[in-house]
Amino acid sequence: EVQLVESGGGLIQPGGSLRLSCAASEFTVSSNHMNWVRQAPGKGLEWVSLIYSGGSTYYADSVKGRFTISRDNSKNTLYLQMNSLITEDTAVYYCARHRGGFDLWGQGTLVTVSS
Amino acid sequence: DIQMTQSPSPLSASVGDRVTITCRASQSMSNYLNWYQQKPGKAPKLLIYAASTLQTGVPSRFSGSGSGTDFTLTISSLQPEDFATYYCQQSYSTPWTFGQGTRVEIK
Repeated sequence: EVQLVESGGGLIQPGGSLRLSCAASEFTVSSNHMNWVRQAPGKGLEWVSLIYSGGSTYYADSVKGRFTISRDNSKNTLYLQMNSLITEDTAVYYCARHRGGFDLWGQGTLVTVSS
Repeated sequence: DIQMTQSPSPLSASVGDRVTITCRASQSMSNYLNWYQQKPGKAPKLLIYAASTLQTGVPSRFSGSGSGTDFTLTISSLQPEDFATYYCQQSYSTPWTFGQGTRVEIK
C-alpha cells in the first residue's frame, strides 16, 4: 500500500530539539517533492518545509534557521530536524507528497512544546 | 508571500444543496491552486489540483474553476459525508500558503 507514516512526536520543553521521521512505502521519496505541513490545535494548515526531488530545500519564515528537512534514500524516509523549539511550534506535523497538489499525506504526529 | 483568502466561513448548508466556496489570491498565480477536504482528527485529502483537475477517486460532484486570482470549489449536491473543512492552497511560489479554511456545517 502506498503510504506515509510519521513518527517522533512528543512532549518537549522550550529550547529543546526533536527529529520527526516520515517513512514511505511503495514509492521512492527521493524521486518526489516532499513537504512538511503543520496544524496547531484548532487552527488551519501551515506549510513548514519542502525538499525538491533534486535536493533544493525551502522553509517557512517561522522556522527558518531552526528546522532542517532532509531525506535518507537508503531508508526511503523523510526527516524534519527541529531545534530551538518554542511554544508556537506546538502542532500536529504531517508529511505530504507533492504531485500536482499534496496528493498523499501521513497520519500526523503531535509535537507539544511546553514546560 | 501570496495571501489566500477564503469565503464564506463558516458555511451552513443542507444535504442536496449546491455549495460554492471562493478563494482569492493576493496576486495572480495562473492555475496553481489546489483544494483539500479535512475531517476532524484526520489528515487533509486532495480534491482538486491545478484549479480544475479532479484527483483520482474524488466524486464528480466536486469541481473547481478559476485562474489568476479568483477560484471556486463547487459541490453540486452536498452529501452527509461532505460536512468538513475545506482549504485552498497555492503552489505557484514558495512559501506555499493555505487559505484559512471554510467549515461546511449542517444548517
